[in-house]
Amino acid sequence: DIQMTQSPSSLSASVGDRLTITCRASQGIGNYLAWYQQEPGKVPKLLIYAASTLHSGVPSRFSGSGSGTDFTLTISSLQPEDVATYYCQKYNSAPYTFGGGTKVEIK
Amino acid sequence: QVKLEQSGAEVKKPGASVKISCKASGYIVTNYGISWVRQAPGGGLEWMAWITSDNANIKHAQNFLDRVTVTTDKTTTTTYMELRSLRPNDTAIYYCARGIEVAPDLDYWGQGTLVTVSS
Repeated sequence: DIQMTQSPSSLSASVGDRLTITCRASQGIGNYLAWYQQEPGKVPKLLIYAASTLHSGVPSRFSGSGSGTDFTLTISSLQPEDVATYYCQKYNSAPYTFGGGTKVEIK
Repeated sequence: QVKLEQSGAEVKKPGASVKISCKASGYIVTNYGISWVRQAPGGGLEWMAWITSDNANIKHAQNFLDRVTVTTDKTTTTTYMELRSLRPNDTAIYYCARGIEVAPDLDYWGQGTLVTVSS
């Protein structure tokens, strides 16, 4: 099975900072990659699908890029409401594995 | 509006089974499926299984191949996930989430069902 590895596992940044989270697949998955945001105590929400397409209603400070094995999620200007754990997920074929998550905190 | 309504919290003893329901509303279920995802306390998201609305395409994570059964009743637009031979480390929040058959990223999620396994 294809493994999904996220880095870093956690980070702390200041409001207004630009953040990049990386997700690496152990084999190529095309652009079948989604990003989710899970705020503390809440249900996960879809942010980005097809590696770079913003889901409806998601702020434009979020963006995604990549294809094949290497993907990134970027927050252009970190806001207090972005405190959450972010997960990538592959969905080219089952199993639709999630990455281990990246916890984002405010300094 | 799209909604996935899950059944309520469960407390089970080790060795028992649990069956969680997920009722879909607000959309036509044809061409969509449901994934089941769980999250242990303080843990990450773990994908478990996928089923299409016509029960024709069912996928499992290797870890759950022997213990999970997923079914869909298209007439009631309700999907079920049964987990057998429960262990304490099955204690988790279980989510259902919707995806398109051809590219199942998960755009809508249920509210989650807490399953506690304890003797």
